[in-house]
Amino acid sequence: SSELTQDPAVSVALGQTVRITCQGDSLRFYYASWYQQKPGQAPVLIIYGKNNRPSGIPDRFSGSSSGDTASLTITGAQAEDEADYYCNCRASNNYRVFGGGTKLTVL
Amino acid sequence: EVQLVESGGGLIQPGGSLRLSCAASGFIVTTNSMSWVRQAPGKGLEWVSLIDGDGSTYFADSVKGRFTISRDISKNILYLQLSSLRVEDTAVYFCARERVNAAAMECYVDLWGRGTLLTVSS
Repeated sequence: SSELTQDPAVSVALGQTVRITCQGDSLRFYYASWYQQKPGQAPVLIIYGKNNRPSGIPDRFSGSSSGDTASLTITGAQAEDEADYYCNCRASNNYRVFGGGTKLTVL
Repeated sequence: EVQLVESGGGLIQPGGSLRLSCAASGFIVTTNSMSWVRQAPGKGLEWVSLIDGDGSTYFADSVKGRFTISRDISKNILYLQLSSLRVEDTAVYFCARERVNAAAMECYVDLWGRGTLLTVSS
């Protein structure tokens, strides 16, 4: 299957740690990339590869992977982290696939 | 400045055709993999199509046979030709530059446009 599965919604208390997961067979062959999207804006790349952050992305964002599951961890969540988060991966047929997205609420 | 700017969206009737454009600056589209990604109102991101650096093209099952992807080397523009449009094609269409490093198992979009809205409605 080329699908990626994410929990639709997750909440975290301000300053606490939250993990957002992404599951799919494609993740056995390629690392997930993670994107943050705020309302009315284009997605922004926040994690790619094994655990790489583009310039300007805070180090409270980190990524990990095990088998068919990738995780995005936010350590010390901030109010500005409230957003939708999507995982993305290259499928075996060279297609691309996005997870359904996780809406993060910071309480 | 490195950027992508989409254009060509608008209101079109079901069954119609339209071409979206994505003007790239600061890099050359033909030396990169480029994708179109769409987002229906209130929904998640959906990958639509990809053109590799070598010109190979790929399409999501939902648009295969109806959409084509191409690029103009002289103008440095990526296109998405849409035909036999359906109401469910209504979405913001994003243009995206992709990086692939197979040896490192990496595949990611490092540059996004702001998107262009296509509404398919009678």
